[in-house]
This record gives sequence, C-alpha cells and structure tokens, in this order.
Amino acid sequence: DIVMTQSPDSLAVSLGERATINCKSSQSVLYSSNNKNYLAWYQQKPGQPPKLLIYWASTRESGVPDRFSGSGSGTDFTLTISSLQAEDVAVYYCQQYYSTPPDFGQGTRLEIK
Amino acid sequence: EVQLVQSGAEVKKPGESLKISCKGSGYSFTSYWIGWVRQMPGKGLEWMGIIYPGDSDTRYSPSFQGQVTISADKSISTAYLQWSSLKASDTAMYYCARPSGRGVMDDAFDIWGQGTMVTVSS
Repeated sequence: DIVMTQSPDSLAVSLGERATINCKSSQSVLYSSNNKNYLAWYQQKPGQPPKLLIYWASTRESGVPDRFSGSGSGTDFTLTISSLQAEDVAVYYCQQYYSTPPDFGQGTRLEIK
Repeated sequence: EVQLVQSGAEVKKPGESLKISCKGSGYSFTSYWIGWVRQMPGKGLEWMGIIYPGDSDTRYSPSFQGQVTISADKSISTAYLQWSSLKASDTAMYYCARPSGRGVMDDAFDIWGQGTMVTVSS
C-alpha cells in the first residue's frame, strides 16, 4: 500500500497570509504513460463531507477559488492557499489514487492565528 | 443535479446486523464506480472499498476485507454497505463517494454523500 504522510498536523495562519500544507507519498504516484500525478486534495469543514479541491495534483476543481493551488510531482506535493480567508478553516486531506487502496493522508487542521 | 443521498443515522447494539444505503441520481448509475469511506469520531478518512454497479465488480481495502460487504442494486440506483455483526469500534460516519471519471475506478472523488452516522453501543 502507498502511505500518505501530511505535514504539519495542524497549522495556524493569519488572515490574508499564505498557508502551505505538504503531502508525501511512500512511492511515486506519477504514471509515466500519461505523465499525470494521481493525487487529490480535499477540504472538510465541521459537519460536512469532504469537498474535492484539486485533482491530478494541480488541477483546480470547478468552482474552487483560485487562491487554492496544488503543486509537486512524484512523491512530494503541496497545497497552497495564497491568502487565507475565514471560510478556509477546515481539515485538509491529500489522497493518492494511483493504486488500490487509494488511501488518504492523516489530515492537516488549518486554523486562524 | 448529480447527487448521492445516504440513509439516515443508525443506533445499534454490538452483534446486530446493519445495511446502509447510498442512492445516486442525476447521472448514469451503472457507469460510475461508488466507493465507501469511514471516518471515526475526530479522526481522518479511510477508504473501505468500491463497487461498479454495472457488473458488481467490487474491491476492498485489506483493512476492511471480510469485515463489511459492499453491494449494489442497479435497478434502484443504490449502493449498500453492510455488517453482519457490529462492534463498538464500527462507530463512525460513513460516506459514499463517486470517482469523477466515467467507468474509472482510479480517480478523485468529486461527488460525496452527506454521510451516515452509525453508533454501536450496548
């Protein structure tokens, strides 16, 4: 199984500042035949199901604000929120879908400083 | 509108059986896989398994193989997650979710159900 490890476990950022969350996979999730990274990012707010933010490591889902961006390749990935808004308080998860089981990282809790 | 609607919260005793459901609408139910994800109280997301309603091809995470059964009834566009003998440790929120690609199992989940809370307590 591919193990996904996020860092940090929690993060406090001031409104308007940049937030960066990292995700590392235990093996590459880059599929060489199509040059795509099988990595997604989700946002989960209290009492709600997860919401897809980013897929293929860097493609923003329709309707997701452009302050959210994803980067990285192979085994190391980053979710960046360029200017934190109050509504971004949530837990963020990465997920690999390169192989079964498509496991999630342990989550990163993002709060306002 | 594409949506997955799950059955309501359940309170059960240890040893009881349970089947929860996830009804798809607004899309071709038989053309997309549907997965199940567990979230224990205050914890993260765990992928349990996935089914293709078109032919009932089913895959399980090793962590959940033999512990639960995933099935689907394509005539009513509904997927199921069932237990034959619940344990207190099965207490969790359970989500169904659909991968975004038609016929593709290995894809991000773009549609999620609202979740079904299962509480197992004596």
